[in-house]
Amino acid sequence: AQKITQTQPGMFVQEKEAVTLDCTYDTSDPSYGLFWYKQPSSGEMIFLIYQGSYDQQNATEGRYSLNFQKARKSANLVISASQLGDSAMYFCAMREGRGIQGAQKLVFGQGTRLTINP
Amino acid sequence: DAGVIQSPRHEVTEMGQEVTLRCKPISGHDYLFWYRQTMMRGLELLIYFNNNVPIDDSGMPEDRFSAKMPNASFSTLKIQPSEPRDSAVYFCASRGNPGQSSYNSPLHFGNGTRLTVT
Repeated sequence: AQKITQTQPGMFVQEKEAVTLDCTYDTSDPSYGLFWYKQPSSGEMIFLIYQGSYDQQNATEGRYSLNFQKARKSANLVISASQLGDSAMYFCAMREGRGIQGAQKLVFGQGTRLTINP
Repeated sequence: DAGVIQSPRHEVTEMGQEVTLRCKPISGHDYLFWYRQTMMRGLELLIYFNNNVPIDDSGMPEDRFSAKMPNASFSTLKIQPSEPRDSAVYFCASRGNPGQSSYNSPLHFGNGTRLTVT
């Protein structure tokens, strides 16, 4: 079963608009963490933002925020005021809290390719 | 502060040859991960180490793949013999610092090795 689902293979957005990238996850563990990474065309993986399952507030990091809806098991990434440099692949990932060692594994979704148009 | 360093950046080899990919994690990190990225399968976890000890190698595709971590600053992923279906980008990532909780800390990725097996 797919643990992380990103339903948008590609998105096209005008520069300066806000964009929401969808991510839903599947777990029965009450303790888990959700991560978003950016992969530009150069190939490196860049960490953007983290949300823990027990965090009371949605995570924010600069222009990035995470719309965490626990009951729906969704953790959508919101990018405000998009820029041309935001064009990249975006990956949602989850680690589950099955014991300290098991909690180290990060499982990734298939990614969403975001293109920002000028 | 140097990040995760992988070498080589690109490797082209013929089917049947041995391939060795190398990784130097961030100093002080106690977890090291090897991932493989392909268009068809996305980002797959192959193996990870904690304090140089392999913890989970369930993602290693078959016996042709092996990974070692002889010390805290070096790891190798070896494919012998290589096959065209091994062509992918291989990422090394590290996380955590001794004495601190690495539970919620993100993975720091290297720039990857693009492997082409002809």
